[in-house]
Amino acid sequence: GQQLNQSPQSMFIQEGEDVSMNCTSSSIFNTWLWYKQDPGEGPVLLIALYKAGELTSNGRLTAQFGITRKDSFLNISASIPSDVGIYFCAGSGGGADGLTFGKGTHLIIQP
Amino acid sequence: GAVVSQHPSRVICKSGTSVKIECRSLDFQATTMFWYRQFPKQSLMLMATSNEGSKATYEQGVEKDKFLINHASLTLSTLTVTSAHPEDSSFYICSAQIGGGGTDTQYFGPGTRLTVL
Repeated sequence: GQQLNQSPQSMFIQEGEDVSMNCTSSSIFNTWLWYKQDPGEGPVLLIALYKAGELTSNGRLTAQFGITRKDSFLNISASIPSDVGIYFCAGSGGGADGLTFGKGTHLIIQP
Repeated sequence: GAVVSQHPSRVICKSGTSVKIECRSLDFQATTMFWYRQFPKQSLMLMATSNEGSKATYEQGVEKDKFLINHASLTLSTLTVTSAHPEDSSFYICSAQIGGGGTDTQYFGPGTRLTVL
């Protein structure tokens, strides 16, 4: 089946630093989504990508859908304490396809 | 917009009993909803796709007779865990899909923590 490789697994950064994480896939996806999950809650959508090469921003967040449709990155600029959490990439073939999730990147911000 | 609710948020039950979890799209209609399961410190795994007015589609390894799904309306899907056992204890999360024309997006509910004693 499809697999998403997400890295890094965890990041320890200081407040104010920029963050970058990425996902790669063994197969093509038509939709790529980035979510943030806080403990005990459901994932919250951050950015949705639909076109190869698409670059989309949402405040301090920027994500791009790779040209080959097999990868994506998420950048967070000027991190703040509330950015702490687990970030997941997820890919879909579109239509009624469910999402395949990466294993997540645990972001920890050191004071 | 795009709010999805789940009920209950937590449930504790005895082994052998059945538990029903509801997933509702509050401000939109969803022809398709999805059910995921998440074990501690792991990612979300798709269990099944719930289609309004038709049978659910289950992922490989998910028992359809154990995890009954009913998508009776465009705003409600239910997941019933039948004859629950301790190994069914997990975080169950639903999502509802918006979009079409190549812009499908899934919005997630807050999850239901199931503990089977």
